[in-house]
Amino acid sequence: GQQVMQIPQYQHVQEGEDFTTYCNSSTTLSNIQWYKQRPGGHPVFLIQLVKSGEVKKQKRLTFQFGEAKKNSSLHITATQTTDVGTYFCAGRGNAGNMLTFGGGTRLMVKP
Amino acid sequence: NAGVMQNPRHLVRRRGQEARLRCSPMKGHSHVYWYRQLPEEGLKFMVYLQKENIIDESGMPKERFSAEFPKEGPSILRIQQVVRGDSAAYFCASSPRDRIYAFFGQGTRLTVV
Repeated sequence: GQQVMQIPQYQHVQEGEDFTTYCNSSTTLSNIQWYKQRPGGHPVFLIQLVKSGEVKKQKRLTFQFGEAKKNSSLHITATQTTDVGTYFCAGRGNAGNMLTFGGGTRLMVKP
Repeated sequence: NAGVMQNPRHLVRRRGQEARLRCSPMKGHSHVYWYRQLPEEGLKFMVYLQKENIIDESGMPKERFSAEFPKEGPSILRIQQVVRGDSAAYFCASSPRDRIYAFFGQGTRLTVV
């Protein structure tokens, strides 16, 4: 079945440093979504990418969908302590409705 | 417009008891998904339902677990004869139609003692 892998599993950064998490799918995706989960909280939808090569920005966050629609990345510029949490990618295949989540990247930011 | 409502937020059950987790989707949402999250791990898909139909239950254990989404009322995830390994956070998500993003509830944290 479809598998979605995310790296790294954990990332410690100093406040102000950049951060990137990468997501790879075993199969071509129809779309990919990104969610953020604060410690003790629930996943909150951030963005959805649909087109091959698509790039979207939300303030300091840049999301990219690969040309082959099998990988994606989330880049945060100049991290802040409010960015702390686990970032999940979730991919939907071309057939079926199931969203498959990656294992998440847990971001810790030192002030 | 209230968000996805899950209750209870915390549930403690002894081994062998039954656990019933409820999820009321957002108003107008007819698609419900259940996910399980073990501590420090990712979200594992369990089941996808529409009103009165199970669409995909490929992530649900074959025994002791069942889910329903009746015409009226919330979606229910039922775990019979709970074991310690069932301890986890169970999240419900809903969406208004197929193939768009989902809104998550705050989860039910199940502890089996």
